[in-house]
Amino acid sequence: DAKTTQPTSMDCAEGRAANLPCNHSTISGNEYVYWYRQIHSQGPQYIIHGLKNNETNEMASLIITEDRKSSTLILPHATLRDTAVYYCIVRVQWAGNMLTFGGGTRLMVKP
Amino acid sequence: GAVVSQHPSWVICKSGTSVKIECRSLDFQATTMFWYRQFPKQSLMLMATSNEGSKATYEQGVEKDKFLINHASLTLSTLTVTSAHPEDSSFYICSATLDRGYTFGSGTRLTVV
Repeated sequence: DAKTTQPTSMDCAEGRAANLPCNHSTISGNEYVYWYRQIHSQGPQYIIHGLKNNETNEMASLIITEDRKSSTLILPHATLRDTAVYYCIVRVQWAGNMLTFGGGTRLMVKP
Repeated sequence: GAVVSQHPSWVICKSGTSVKIECRSLDFQATTMFWYRQFPKQSLMLMATSNEGSKATYEQGVEKDKFLINHASLTLSTLTVTSAHPEDSSFYICSATLDRGYTFGSGTRLTVV
């Protein structure tokens, strides 16, 4: 799995968009970008994933640069409940083995 | 959606005793389950991969005789922490694979006193 780099922490004002960056300069052509988040004392929760096109679902949007070396997860209207650690994971779509978690970004949404 | 039910949510035990954590897949069969451990302010670290009907595969540095994993059915995997010590205090999380994705249990916070 390709290595990812994320900021350790970020703050965001409630109601504003939260933009969480992830660098993955060694990503391979068949590797996807996955985002999970972990709210304090809970198990990780899937958010979104993509290969090269931008993706949007009810939770978030994923913007992947044209060279695929970086991506941004966007929470359009952050709420206090979005305070969590966000993990960017790069891997082939289905390898049947475990997910490897890096350090993630600790997002604090403030009122 | 697919749910993995993990119990207990938290447990406190005395040093030297054993604790069992259960992970059940609801409404789907989980051939493979993963067990993670997470210390405060750290990321999830894989402990072992559990396959139904066969022995678990442990990551380097994880004592298989201390962390007993049983995956006897397609809907249940258990992790037993034997002879628990305070340094085993941690957040334990299970995960199952389904439809080319991953779903996680809610975690178990173990405190050994």
